[in-house]
Amino acid sequence: DTGVSQDPRHKITKRGQNVTFRCDPISEHNRLYWYRQTLGQGPEFLTYFQNEAQLEKSRLLSDRFSAERPKGSFSTLEIQRTEQGDSAMYLCASSLEEGHRTGELFFGEGSRLTVL
Amino acid sequence: GDSVTQMEGPVTLSEEAFLTINCTYTATGYPSLFWYVQYPGEGLQLLLKATKADDKGSNKGFEATYRKETTSFHLEKGSVQVSDSAVYFCALSDLSTSYGKLTFGQGTILTVHP
Repeated sequence: DTGVSQDPRHKITKRGQNVTFRCDPISEHNRLYWYRQTLGQGPEFLTYFQNEAQLEKSRLLSDRFSAERPKGSFSTLEIQRTEQGDSAMYLCASSLEEGHRTGELFFGEGSRLTVL
Repeated sequence: GDSVTQMEGPVTLSEEAFLTINCTYTATGYPSLFWYVQYPGEGLQLLLKATKADDKGSNKGFEATYRKETTSFHLEKGSVQVSDSAVYFCALSDLSTSYGKLTFGQGTILTVHP
C-alpha cells in the first residue's frame, strides 16, 4: 500500500492522559498536513510541514498539541492532558510542494480519538 | 477570514437524478477552489478543481464552475449512480493568507438509491 497511513485508527483514553498519533506519508511527498474533523463538520487545518520544517500552525493548535516530523518522513501529533473537547478524527495528508495550489492532497483514513 | 459554506444536507436522490450541491465562499484573496469526496471507509480525495474565474472543473461526470461574481462553486452531475453515495466537501486555498492551508466546508452527505 503506497497511500498515507495513520496509526492508531482508534484511540480511547481518559481525560488528562497523553496520546500520540503517527502518520506515514506517501514517500516522495515533502509536505505533510494535520487536520481535525468533528462530527458533521469539515476538516479544520491544524499545521503543516515542508520536509522537517513546521511552517504554519493554526490557532486551534493549543500548547497542549505538538507535532513533529523529525527526518522529513513520518510525523507524530501528540496531545497532552487530553480534554473531552479533543474528541475528533485527526486526519493526516501529504502532497508535493505545490499541493496547496493544485489541491492534490492525499489523505489518510484518520485516527479517531475518544476522550472519556 | 476565509470560509466555505455548503448547502444543508443530507441529500437523498434516486439513481439517474440530477444533482446540485451548492457551495459559496468568502476569501481575502483570489482563491483556488476544490471539491473533495470521501467514500465510505476511505480518505478524502480530490474530485475536481478550478483556479480562476469562469474555469470549469470536471471529473467522473461531475462539474463545477468558478463564479467570482457570485462567489460560488456549485457541484453538479446530470445523472447520479449508487456508487456516487459519499460525503462531498467544497474547499478553497487562498495564497494571500496561507501557503499550506485548505479551508473546507462542512460537507454534504449524498445517498443515491437504486
